[in-house]
Amino acid sequence: GENVEQHPSTLSVQEGDSAVIKCTYSDSASNYFPWYKQELGKGPQLIIDIRSNVGEKKDQRIAVTLNKTAKHFSLHITETQPEDSAVYFCAATSYNQGGKLIFGQGTELSVKP
Amino acid sequence: EAGVAQSPRYKIIEKRQSVAFWCNPISGHATLYWYQQILGQGPKLLIQFQNNGVVDDSQLPKDRFSAERLKGVDSTLKIQPAKLEDSAVYLCASRPALRTGHTGELFFGEGSRLTVL
Repeated sequence: GENVEQHPSTLSVQEGDSAVIKCTYSDSASNYFPWYKQELGKGPQLIIDIRSNVGEKKDQRIAVTLNKTAKHFSLHITETQPEDSAVYFCAATSYNQGGKLIFGQGTELSVKP
Repeated sequence: EAGVAQSPRYKIIEKRQSVAFWCNPISGHATLYWYQQILGQGPKLLIQFQNNGVVDDSQLPKDRFSAERLKGVDSTLKIQPAKLEDSAVYLCASRPALRTGHTGELFFGEGSRLTVL
């Protein structure tokens, strides 16, 4: 089955700096790669996603890149703000997997003012 | 639009006791998932329902965990008897029915935090 590895487990940046979180997946059939943000005491919330027919997607300060050959995708946050502090999870799935998300281990991002 | 509702938010029990969690998905969402999130880890799928049928329960420890989704709406997840390692947050998520060849966003509830002493 699918396995998703995520790095780093913790990341501390200064406000205004960029943050990058990386994930690798094992199942070449996976074709949908979402990123979720989880704040303390809350459920995960989708912040951006990418499908396998696209190499990059951007939404304001957030971007995701996908390298299907290397089975690697990354989250990029620019101009970080204190409210970006949270745990971020990458995930992978496909329609043939019933859409069930396989999550990475999470990255705790801390943005220092 | 109301989100995914879960209850209780917190539960403390002793090992070997039983506990039940309830989930009310977003109206009209045919697919419902239960995930287990142990502290410091990513959510791990326990069971997936499509309407009132089980699609995938391969990761559900069936000797102690059970789940049902009567009438294809609300769902309950039960643990009996509980073990110390069951301490976790139990997340319910829902989405509309999958369209052929397509996947999409899961909407999560806030979770039910279980502590087993």
